[in-house]
Amino acid sequence: GEDVEQSLFLSVREGDSSVINCTYTDSSSTYLYWYKQEPGAGLQLLTYIFSNMDMKQDQRLTVLLNKKDKHLSLRIADTQTGDSAIYFCAELYFNKFYFGSGTKLNVKP
Amino acid sequence: GAVVSQHPSWVICKSGTSVKIECRSLDFQATTMFWYRQFPKQSLMLMATSNEGSKATYEQGVEKDKFLINHASLTLSTLTVTSAHPEDSSFYICSARDRSVQVSGNTIYFGEGSWLTVV
Repeated sequence: GEDVEQSLFLSVREGDSSVINCTYTDSSSTYLYWYKQEPGAGLQLLTYIFSNMDMKQDQRLTVLLNKKDKHLSLRIADTQTGDSAIYFCAELYFNKFYFGSGTKLNVKP
Repeated sequence: GAVVSQHPSWVICKSGTSVKIECRSLDFQATTMFWYRQFPKQSLMLMATSNEGSKATYEQGVEKDKFLINHASLTLSTLTVTSAHPEDSSFYICSARDRSVQVSGNTIYFGEGSWLTVV
C-alpha cells in the first residue's frame, strides 16, 4: 500500500457540489480515509470506508468506493467557503497510512 | 474520542542542535506509534514505526541515526531530530493505535502535529 494519487486542485462555487477523486494501488487495504487539513493545522478525520463497502454517506459527505478500479471519491454537497482546505485520501495498510498528494479545494463565494 | 497529544506544537532551533518531539496517547495504550513528516505544500510521508520496548522500523530513505525514535512506554514515543539542519524544517505528526480495541476504521488517532523550523 504505497501509491495513492489525487488531482492537485479543485475550484467550485459556494453551494455547488465538490467531487474529489483518488486512486490507489493496493487492493489489500482494509480501510480508506478522507482527511481535511486547513492551513497550519493538523489532520481532521472526515470519514472513512471499509474496503468491502461501496458507499458511505455522512451528512454532506458521500464516499464512493470502486474496488475493482481502485477508485475512491469524496462528494461534498452544498460546498461552503469553510470547506476550503486540502483534502487527503489515505489507505490503511498494516496500521500504516499512505497518503495521496492532497487536493486543494478552493470555494469561491 | 481518544486523544493523541504532541509537544511542542511549534519549535525553532538553531542549526546543529537537537530537538525532541513527544507523542503521547492520553487515554489509551499504544504498543505501536507512527511518525510522519510533511514538507510545505506536500503530502504526509511515513518516516518510521515506533515499537514499544524495541527498535523503531524506518522507511526507506529515512536516516535512523538522524531521527532517533524512542518508545519507552505504552503511552509515549519521542522523535529526536539530531544535528538539525534547515532542510529538516517540516511538520511532524504522529499516530497511535489503541491496542485494546480491535482494528477498525477509527481506532488509529493522529496528534495535532509539531512544526519544526531550523534556522
